[in-house]
Amino acid sequence: EVQLVESGGGLVQPGGSLRLSCAASGFSFSHYDMHWVRQPTGRGLEWVSTIDTAGDTYYPGSVKGRFTISRENAKNSLYLQMNSLGAGDTAVYYCAAGADAFHIWGQGTMVTVSS
Amino acid sequence: QSVLTQPPSASGTPGQRVTISCSGSSSNIGSNTVNWYQQLPGTAPKLLIYSDNQRPSGVPDRFSGSKSGTSASLAISGLQSEDEGDYYCAAWDDSLNGVVFGGGTKLTVL
Repeated sequence: EVQLVESGGGLVQPGGSLRLSCAASGFSFSHYDMHWVRQPTGRGLEWVSTIDTAGDTYYPGSVKGRFTISRENAKNSLYLQMNSLGAGDTAVYYCAAGADAFHIWGQGTMVTVSS
Repeated sequence: QSVLTQPPSASGTPGQRVTISCSGSSSNIGSNTVNWYQQLPGTAPKLLIYSDNQRPSGVPDRFSGSKSGTSASLAISGLQSEDEGDYYCAAWDDSLNGVVFGGGTKLTVL
């Protein structure tokens, strides 16, 4: 079964850090571009980062310099290191896979930034 | 304010045909393909249409996508109650060098 399972979410204080993980199974992970997409409660989707099969990374301005996406193909795993977190980063974070679109999605992990 | 513009809501009765629009610019829809995602209540998003008009395996042919210039549309024919949820368009933006989403359209089946 094709599956993405996120973990690592939780409550963190403003200015703090958190590392999310995404475990992939059922498909050839190393051949897929991988992404993080977030959704604040009751709001729309926002693209957070992409790492392609060559290891090149992409970020929107809202997280550039604070978030780092990485992958470990040997472990079929995707990561998101988030630093200097603020209230605006509170959201459900989804990992997704695909080149021309987000073909495969995980179930999401909740990140809450609050004191 | 989303880069791609969608109507916040749409509605229809069972069996009806509804369309959802997505308006962008030359740097996104005008030069790249459009994808559509469906998010049913309490679930993760799911890819509905990719590359403007392609359906992934398992998506019913009641769903179709089209694009003209800097705008795209999602059409749902034979509307069913289980289609109720949120629909998002997305595309790569050459100016922003990233993926941009529409604000989402909440579809209600009356």
